[in-house]
Amino acid sequence: DVKVTQSSRYLVKRTGEKVFLECVQDMDHENMFWYRQDPGLGLRLIYFSYDVKMKEKGDIPEGYSVSREKKERFSLILESASTNQTSMYLCASSLGGAGYRELFFGEGSRLTVL
Amino acid sequence: AQSVTQLDSQVPVFEEAPVELRCNYSSSVSVYLFWYVQYPNQGLQLLLKYLSGSTLVKGINGFEAEFNKSQTSFHLRKPSVHISDTAEYFCAVLVRDTDKLIFGTGTRLQVFP
Repeated sequence: DVKVTQSSRYLVKRTGEKVFLECVQDMDHENMFWYRQDPGLGLRLIYFSYDVKMKEKGDIPEGYSVSREKKERFSLILESASTNQTSMYLCASSLGGAGYRELFFGEGSRLTVL
Repeated sequence: AQSVTQLDSQVPVFEEAPVELRCNYSSSVSVYLFWYVQYPNQGLQLLLKYLSGSTLVKGINGFEAEFNKSQTSFHLRKPSVHISDTAEYFCAVLVRDTDKLIFGTGTRLQVFP
C-alpha cells in the first residue's frame, strides 16, 4: 500500500516562528501536493511539485514556500507563521504522466499558531 | 472557472436509513469526478471515481454515485448507513488534461444509533 507520512500530527508555534512541515511518500510517486483544510472551505491547494526541485503555485501560495530536494520528500515552509495560518495541512502524492492519477493522502498535520 | 458545490454542510441520519450527499459542479469542459472520505483524525481516502463509461459507479463500503451530465451532478448514495460511516465526505472534480483537483467544501455525515 502507498504510504504518505507527515512528520508531525500536531504542532503549536508562536507568531513569527519558522515552521517546517515534512512529508514523505514511499511509492516513488512523481507528483506531490500540499493542501490546507479549513472548516467550510474544504481543501485548498497551496503548492505542488511534478519532480525533484520543481514546484508550482497552487491557489493560495502566499505566506508559504516548499522544497523538494529528493523525490520522496516534499516540505512545506512557513517563513514567519501567523495566526491565520492555523489550520490542518494535508500532503498528498500521485504517479506522474498524462491522464488521471489517484491522490494518496497523509493523515494531516494540525498547526496552531499562537 | 471550474467549481464544486456541496449543498449540505451537515447531514444527520439514523443508522440503517438511506442517505444521499449532493454534489454539483460547473465546468465547460469534460471532467473526472470523485468522492473522498475523511474519517475522524485521518487523511482523505478515495471512495469512488467517475472517469468514463457507465454513469453509475460503485465504490467502497457500499457507496455509489451517479454522474448526471445534464444536471452537472454527482450525488453520493448509500441505501443503509452504519455508525462507522460517520465521517466527512468531499466531492472533487478534475478537469481533463489538467492536474488540478478542485474540492468541494465537504459534507459531514453523522449517523446516530
